[in-house]
Order: sequence, then C-alpha cells, then structure tokens
Amino acid sequence: AQTVTQSQPEMSVQEAETVTLSCTYDTSESDYYLFWYKQPPSRQMILVIRQEAYKQQNATENRFSVNFQKAAKSFSLKISDSQLGDAAMYFCALANNNDMRFGAGTRLTVKP
Amino acid sequence: DVKVTQSSRYLVKRTGEKVFLECVQDMDHENMFWYRQDPGLGLRLIYFSYDVKMKEKGDIPEGYSVSREKKERFSLILESASTNQTSMYLCASKQSGVGGLETQYFGPGTRLLVL
Repeated sequence: AQTVTQSQPEMSVQEAETVTLSCTYDTSESDYYLFWYKQPPSRQMILVIRQEAYKQQNATENRFSVNFQKAAKSFSLKISDSQLGDAAMYFCALANNNDMRFGAGTRLTVKP
Repeated sequence: DVKVTQSSRYLVKRTGEKVFLECVQDMDHENMFWYRQDPGLGLRLIYFSYDVKMKEKGDIPEGYSVSREKKERFSLILESASTNQTSMYLCASKQSGVGGLETQYFGPGTRLLVL
C-alpha cells in the first residue's frame, strides 16, 4: 500500500521569506510520480509541481522547488519569496497508475 | 487548459434523499475520479472510471455509486444520504498513458451538507 505523510498541519511564513513544507511517503513501486497541489480558500485544487521518480534532478517551477530524496522517501516543497497569494492548503501526493494517495495537508499562512 | 466542472458548489440535502453530483471534463480524458475531502484526512478515493461504463471501487465506496455513460461526464450518486456523508466532494480527471504523467486535474468541489 502507498502512503503519504505530512507531519506539519500548519505552517506560517513572513511575506518575502522562504518556507519548506515536509512530506514523506512509502511505496513498493519503483516507478511513480510525486506532486504538490495547492488548494486556496476558493477550493480549486491546483497543481504546483510534479516530480518523476526516475529523474534525479529536483523539479523547479518559478518560486517553487522540491527536494526529492528517493532513498529517504522524502519530498519537500520550498517556496521562495513567499507571497500573500501563496496562502492555502498544500497537499503532497504520490501516484502510480490510477492510484493516487494524498497526505492530510499543510495549511500555510503568509503574514504581511 | 484542462477544465473540470462540477454541477454545484454547495448542496444541502436531507437524510434519506437521493443525491446526484455531476462532473464534466473537456479534455477527452479517459480517467475520472471522485474523492471525498475531510479535515485531517486529506483526499480519499470513492470511485474511479477508466472508460465509459467502466468503474472501479476506491477506498471508501460504501454508500456511493457512480455512473459514466459518456466520456466527459462522471456522476456520483448517494442512494440514501446520511449525515456522515456531509463532506467536500472533489472530481478529477486524468489522461491515460505516460503522456499524462499521472497528473490529475480537479474540479472546484461540492460542499455537501446532509441534515
């Protein structure tokens, strides 16, 4: 069975600062994908960033980057230069075929 | 851009009512999913469909059924709503094959309250 754990229910960051959200996972598969999704208060889940497990290079999307440690089964999200619009629930997810597992989420607050 | 829409943003029903939640996607995706989102539990899969008229149970199918008569539309049915089905329901769709990179695209969600 695949599982995803987000150990930080809530995090806060000062505007323009950097914050890292943690995620660990467990899977017996060798081929899988990892995701960070963002769910703002309006509720639409938006893909933030995606990482293919076979790629060693960490994915980056503008101010968002990941630290993918395959051996440790860790997949953290770093948000640089945090903005007020980054405030949301963030979900870490693991997918293999049609099986996608989500963590419980981390609520990020951005302080002006 | 992929667009996934859900028929209602908010819904209030009474215990025992039959409830239909509809989801439509416009990207010709083969796979569609229904999740339930509860605080502290993340998203849990209720059912998914990998083709028209095909369905597979997820982790929490009890009390739910689904229908997929057309490729773009996936309906979630609560045969007899109960208060423990009060929740946020999210629909998602995904392209088949490695080209889709396993990415699911989500609708805006339906917040259902069962009284």
